[in-house]
Amino acid sequence: QQPVQSPQAVILREGEDAVINCSSSKALYSVHWYRQKHGEAPVFLMILLKGGEQKGHDKISASFNEKKQQSSLYLTASQLSYSGTYFCGTELRAQKLVFGQGTRLTINP
Amino acid sequence: KAGVTQTPRYLIKTRGQQVTLSCSPISGHRSVSWYQQTPGQGLQFLFEYFSETQRNKGNFPGRFSGRQFSNSRSEMNVSTLELGDSALYLCASSLVTGGPSISGANVLTFGAGSRLTVL
Repeated sequence: QQPVQSPQAVILREGEDAVINCSSSKALYSVHWYRQKHGEAPVFLMILLKGGEQKGHDKISASFNEKKQQSSLYLTASQLSYSGTYFCGTELRAQKLVFGQGTRLTINP
Repeated sequence: KAGVTQTPRYLIKTRGQQVTLSCSPISGHRSVSWYQQTPGQGLQFLFEYFSETQRNKGNFPGRFSGRQFSNSRSEMNVSTLELGDSALYLCASSLVTGGPSISGANVLTFGAGSRLTVL
């Protein structure tokens, strides 16, 4: 039931773009994205409902492909503050949020 | 407003002991979820409570249990501790448990966690 995230780790230079993918084998009700900085609690970024709606948050956006049960998180013109581990959380009909293993993003100056 | 409060923040136990962790949700939030975080496994879902009832449960042994009180505060207990139970235990609260997310009502707000070390 745990969604699969890829890649597991990404290293970028400031200003570069990144895409993080999240795939589920189950039909999803919604997908959540959270970011966790080192030593801190995960923080909510955005939620995507069934219907393929694309959300945006500054230069961070996400999409949800209902047919493929996949979501992608797009980070454009990355900033140093984007560093952290990104988790996608998938909500099944059972209404519990199951998280992927995380993608560690490192932004270097 | 105050965030999600977890106590204790750090604790060290030995194998075979038991531990109780506490979580106070954001005022007005009625759903509390618990997660175990380890370096290799990411965030593993333990259970979720709403109005004092366990609504969802993850794939953990019966040694892991929890409860929720009428004021929405929650506790989780781990009995007969094993070395592999060493982890960061995160509690998260939300307004409602799942369902339509038109208002983002089931967005999780996490506490800082309780770091358990089992020796």
